[in-house]
Amino acid sequence: QQQVKQSPQSLIVQKGGISIINCAYENTAFDYFPWYQQFPGKGPALLIAIRPDVSEKKEGRFTISFNKSAKQFSLHIMDSQPGDSATYFCAARSGSNYQLIWGAGTKLIIKP
Amino acid sequence: SAVISQKPSRDICQRGTSLTIQCQVDSQVTMMFWYRQQPGQSLTLIATANQGSEATYESGFVIDKFPISRPNLTFSTLTVSNMSPEDSSIYLCSVRREDTQYFGPGTRLTVL
Repeated sequence: QQQVKQSPQSLIVQKGGISIINCAYENTAFDYFPWYQQFPGKGPALLIAIRPDVSEKKEGRFTISFNKSAKQFSLHIMDSQPGDSATYFCAARSGSNYQLIWGAGTKLIIKP
Repeated sequence: SAVISQKPSRDICQRGTSLTIQCQVDSQVTMMFWYRQQPGQSLTLIATANQGSEATYESGFVIDKFPISRPNLTFSTLTVSNMSPEDSSIYLCSVRREDTQYFGPGTRLTVL
């Protein structure tokens, strides 16, 4: 019940296309859902986060879509660029717990 | 935000030896975390270190193997003791500030 399932494991998208990464969770106590971006040799960096009181959050080319009833959330990268090539992690946390529960990660490659 | 530095950035060590990794944050934080990340894998929480109290270790990690110090609100160390090749990994320091978790650049450890 503490797991966050992330898919796909890897993704190749043409430049200018839309990249979509999905995550699903079981624990209904989760109330904070961040996405992290990690480049090789670097630590993860917060990209965007959402709380379940909204269904969508957009920051630039990055959008989180959240479906509370389905217990799913996804990251959409519009107009994907080669510089977006990185590993993306979804995560979840409940307000009563400090610990982030991490997805397995998605390695995204944007082909020029 | 939070600016986190780690030392060393990488090291190659002989089995049976110990390595201490340092983590410095730009300003005071209550919660600091240590993670391990195998190449191409997700993040695994080793322990949580709050200043003035003993570190809390996750299942599978013990204080004798991974002693942690937290002498003040901006600094922590993680020691990897009696190393074996299975300890080869990236070790990440992380802090929580307000509602966001930030990561250091990581220490890449190789044990021969």
